[in-house]
Amino acid sequence: DTEVTQTPKHLVMGMTNKKSLKCEQHMGHRAMYWYKQKAKKPPELMFVYSYEKLSINESVPSRFSPECPNSSLLNLHLHALQPEDSALYLCASSQGGGLEETQYFGPGTRLLVL
Amino acid sequence: GENVEQHPSTLSVQEGDSAVIKCTYSDSASNYFPWYKQELGKRPQLIIDIRSNVGEKKDQRIAVTLNKTAKHFSLHITETQPEDSAVYFCAASISLRGYSTLTFGKGTMLLVSP
Repeated sequence: DTEVTQTPKHLVMGMTNKKSLKCEQHMGHRAMYWYKQKAKKPPELMFVYSYEKLSINESVPSRFSPECPNSSLLNLHLHALQPEDSALYLCASSQGGGLEETQYFGPGTRLLVL
Repeated sequence: GENVEQHPSTLSVQEGDSAVIKCTYSDSASNYFPWYKQELGKRPQLIIDIRSNVGEKKDQRIAVTLNKTAKHFSLHITETQPEDSAVYFCAASISLRGYSTLTFGKGTMLLVSP
């Protein structure tokens, strides 16, 4: 089963709110990724976790805070966001063996910051 | 870092025609080349991929070719159908210890008219 799930599907938040996005996979994958996608653009990598350790942070502002509680779960904590942070946030996972790995995407959370 | 160029940005064909999308990449360390289809409001979905030791791969109406020397790879869709209408992204992947990185092209919007 190549399924990555994400909650919530939609989120509207004010600039002073704190919210979290959740991602889950049960494929035994050990690498998990957060991407941001604006309309009519390709996904942009934000963070990579490998074996529950943060491996890449693509210079993402600190108002985005990732967390990997275990090998199946990935969270993205949001605080004091700006309207330009409105986008589709995609989670992905891959095996973690590091050899020609397929990344499987979740359905995304569509975020609107007011 | 890796740079992926994708052409054309839009492609309109009649049902039954063939469609070809071309990509180039810059980093010879890239060793895996997936293609994703993204319908409006949905997740990127892997449709075919090719590894660096293979020159061509076919799956029913979809085929991908890779020329490592020229750093080119292409997606071919034959007998197009209206349900093929979507945005297609090529990507080049570099495998690292425990995860991979994906660099996407800017996408091709394919419109198949009945």
